[in-house]
Amino acid sequence: SQQGEEDPQALSIQEGENATMNCSYKTSINNLQWYRQNSGRGLVHLILIRSNEREKHSGRLRVTLDTSKKSSSLLITASRAADTASYFCAIAQGAQKLVFGQGTRLTINP
Amino acid sequence: SQTIHQWPATLVQPVGSPLSLECTVEGTSNPNLYWYRQAAGRGLQLLFYSVGIGQISSEVPQNLSASRPQDRQFILSSKKLLLSDSGFYLCAWIGGFQGAPNNSPLHFGNGTRLTVT
Repeated sequence: SQQGEEDPQALSIQEGENATMNCSYKTSINNLQWYRQNSGRGLVHLILIRSNEREKHSGRLRVTLDTSKKSSSLLITASRAADTASYFCAIAQGAQKLVFGQGTRLTINP
Repeated sequence: SQTIHQWPATLVQPVGSPLSLECTVEGTSNPNLYWYRQAAGRGLQLLFYSVGIGQISSEVPQNLSASRPQDRQFILSSKKLLLSDSGFYLCAWIGGFQGAPNNSPLHFGNGTRLTVT
């Protein structure tokens, strides 16, 4: 079934560095969404990028989408310790379902 | 503003006992509602979703069931829990009428951590 696959599974960087996470998928999409999950909490929506968009920004977040390569990336610039979390990409499957990947666990070291 | 409530936050239940997890949404009408389960350190597995009262779509054949007795209430149940039912259960909603995952984000509750012993 359609599901995004994040890469890497885990990422550990120093505070202030940039963090890049990737998501690949297999079929055509209407949009791709990125979510964040702090340990033991629910997911929080970050960005939705539509299939006709190539790039979106929100604060220190930058999301790109390459539909020809069926991939998306999430870039967090100037990382902070508070960015430590798991990040998930999600793809709509049909009209009513949202399917999530396995996530990237990001650790920002002070 | 819209809010979503899940309870309880944590639950420890013996194998074979029943389960009832409740999720309610405030501040919106006719939302689509979702139950996901997350195993430790893993991604989310969609269990059930509902587009209206009494309408339940099941994604995974299993020991669990869902009901939507009211517009903004979604309940996850089991008659007899298994060890494999342990996990983090998340309820989510998306705006009603025109809201759908192919054009809108999901809003999640804070989850229920279920441990079956």
